[in-house]
Amino acid sequence: QQQVKQSPQSLIVQKGGISIINCAYENTAFDYFPWYQQFPGKGPALLIAIRPDVSEKKEGRFTISFNKSAKQFSLHIMDSQPGDSATYFCAASINSGYSTLTFGKGTMLLVSP
Amino acid sequence: DVKVTQSSRYLVKRTGEKVFLECVQDMDHENMFWYRQDPGLGLRLIYFSYDVKMKEKGDIPEGYSVSREKKERFSLILESASTNQTSMYLCASRQFFGPGTRLTVL
Repeated sequence: QQQVKQSPQSLIVQKGGISIINCAYENTAFDYFPWYQQFPGKGPALLIAIRPDVSEKKEGRFTISFNKSAKQFSLHIMDSQPGDSATYFCAASINSGYSTLTFGKGTMLLVSP
Repeated sequence: DVKVTQSSRYLVKRTGEKVFLECVQDMDHENMFWYRQDPGLGLRLIYFSYDVKMKEKGDIPEGYSVSREKKERFSLILESASTNQTSMYLCASRQFFGPGTRLTVL
């Protein structure tokens, strides 16, 4: 049973556009929702994370939107750049991120010049 | 700054060999994790530890064991490597990942 569903699998966006990646979860005990960015051959890097007491969190060009009632959260990358081309993973955990992470399957983002 | 290091970036071993993958963190975290990452399967949890000498099985522990003798070090052991253990192995300390070890078993 996949507890975190991520879409789309792949995404092509033009430079300067907005990239949007969506995730849905099932376990209402989740209370920590991070997003990771991974370049080929590297480990995932924590990009931004949100807790369910807020509906949005912004860090630079990256924004997480969170909808607790729908059990969905999304990553928005504003003014997408070719350097943003990477695989993005959403994840969820209980215990404020101290416990095991349940990951989505990942989205390969390509930002065309 | 957060630092999680893994002993090797690339490793090539033969079938049947015993393989040790080391992970060290400098953040004084209790919680450490080992994942493997395969195309199409995403990240899967192998083992985790919430304290020294403590270990818990994850989703795919078969063929692996772990050791946590010191708080900062969490080791993954492949007792007898097999070709289906060829993968990218990722260690995490809480939610922070190391650079990964690409293991090839021939």
